[in-house]
Amino acid sequence: SQQGEEDPQALSIQEGENATMNCSYKTSINNLQWYRQNSGRGLVHLILIRSNEREKHSGRLRVTLDTSKKSSSLLITASRAADTASYFCATDAGGSYIPTFGRGTSLIVHP
Amino acid sequence: GAVVSQHPSRVICKSGTSVKIECRSLDFQATTMFWYRQFPKQSLMLMATSNEGSKATYEQGVEKDKFLINHASLTLSTLTVTSAHPEDSSFYICSARSQGAVNSPLHFGNGTRLTVT
Repeated sequence: SQQGEEDPQALSIQEGENATMNCSYKTSINNLQWYRQNSGRGLVHLILIRSNEREKHSGRLRVTLDTSKKSSSLLITASRAADTASYFCATDAGGSYIPTFGRGTSLIVHP
Repeated sequence: GAVVSQHPSRVICKSGTSVKIECRSLDFQATTMFWYRQFPKQSLMLMATSNEGSKATYEQGVEKDKFLINHASLTLSTLTVTSAHPEDSSFYICSARSQGAVNSPLHFGNGTRLTVT
């Protein structure tokens, strides 16, 4: 089944720095979504980018999508300690529209 | 925003007993709900797709007789782990999508930490 894979698996930065996470997938998609998960909690949707879009912004978040390379990136600018969480990309393909998730990137932002 | 409530958040049970987990969409109707299982520092593994008024669709390798799913209304889906064993200990998360919105984000519950002793 379709699955995105995030890179890096873990990222540790200082508050104020930017954090970039990447996601690669295997087959054509309908859309790609980024979610955030705090430890022991459910996932919170951040951004959805459709296959015909190349870039989207939401506050300090910037997502790009390169369908030719089958990859996406999530950039968090001016990171804060509260951004510490795991970040997952999810892709769906074909007619199922059932998102499948990668292993996630664990982000730690040191105050 | 759309809210999904999952209950209980934590449960400890003895081996051989059954545990029911509820997933409710509070302010929207969800034709479809999804049940995931997550191991520590791992991805979410889709277990099954729950459809209101019909049988759930299970992913390959998931025992439907062990993980019973019922989606009796547009706002409630339940997952029952029957005859639980220690290897069933995990973090179970449900999600829901608004009715008629197949290409929209999922709304997640806060998960249930199941520990089987």
